[in-house]
Amino acid sequence: DQQVKQNSPSLSVQEGRISILNCDYTNSMFDYFLWYKKYPAEGPTFLISISSIKDKNEDGRFTVFLNKSAKHLSLHIVPSQPGDSAVYFCAALNQAGTALIFGKGTTLSVSS
Amino acid sequence: GAGVSQSPSNKVTEKGKDVELRCDPISGHTALYWYRQSLGQGLEFLIYFQGNSAPDKSGLPSDRFSAERTGGSVSTLTIQRTQQEDSAVYLCASSLARQETQYFGPGTRLLVL
Repeated sequence: DQQVKQNSPSLSVQEGRISILNCDYTNSMFDYFLWYKKYPAEGPTFLISISSIKDKNEDGRFTVFLNKSAKHLSLHIVPSQPGDSAVYFCAALNQAGTALIFGKGTTLSVSS
Repeated sequence: GAGVSQSPSNKVTEKGKDVELRCDPISGHTALYWYRQSLGQGLEFLIYFQGNSAPDKSGLPSDRFSAERTGGSVSTLTIQRTQQEDSAVYLCASSLARQETQYFGPGTRLLVL
């Protein structure tokens, strides 16, 4: 059973518009979440994280929102740029703090 | 500074052969992790090392997989008697300590023929 789900395999957005990537989780004990971005043939790059004591964290064009009651988080990219085109992975830190549990990723394509 | 490095970047092997994959973590990072990404899948946790503590091996898929970390730095992931389903990208990550942000290497692409 997948504990972290990214139900949209792909998303296409025009340059300058907002990209919204969604993620759901099943384990209410998860308390730390991260987003990673991955280009082909490279390792994932850390983007932004959020602790369960917050409902929002912002870093430049990237904002992550956490809705604990819905077990849902989202990543907003505003404005989207062509260089943002990549696979985005949502991850939750396991309770022991020893491993990240990843979703399957969403491929974002930003067209100019 | 230097990031996580992995070698080789690509490895093609025949079914039944053993392979060794290497990871050099970021200097000063005490925690080291191995993950793998099979085609169309997310990253799957394999093993975690923290300092001199016993590793968390709960993600290793079979006893053909093993890993060690020598001197608290470099790690080697060994797959014995490789099978075609072992074909994947094997990713190493390190962090300053447990529960800190993990930084990933570029991965080793393993193809078992």
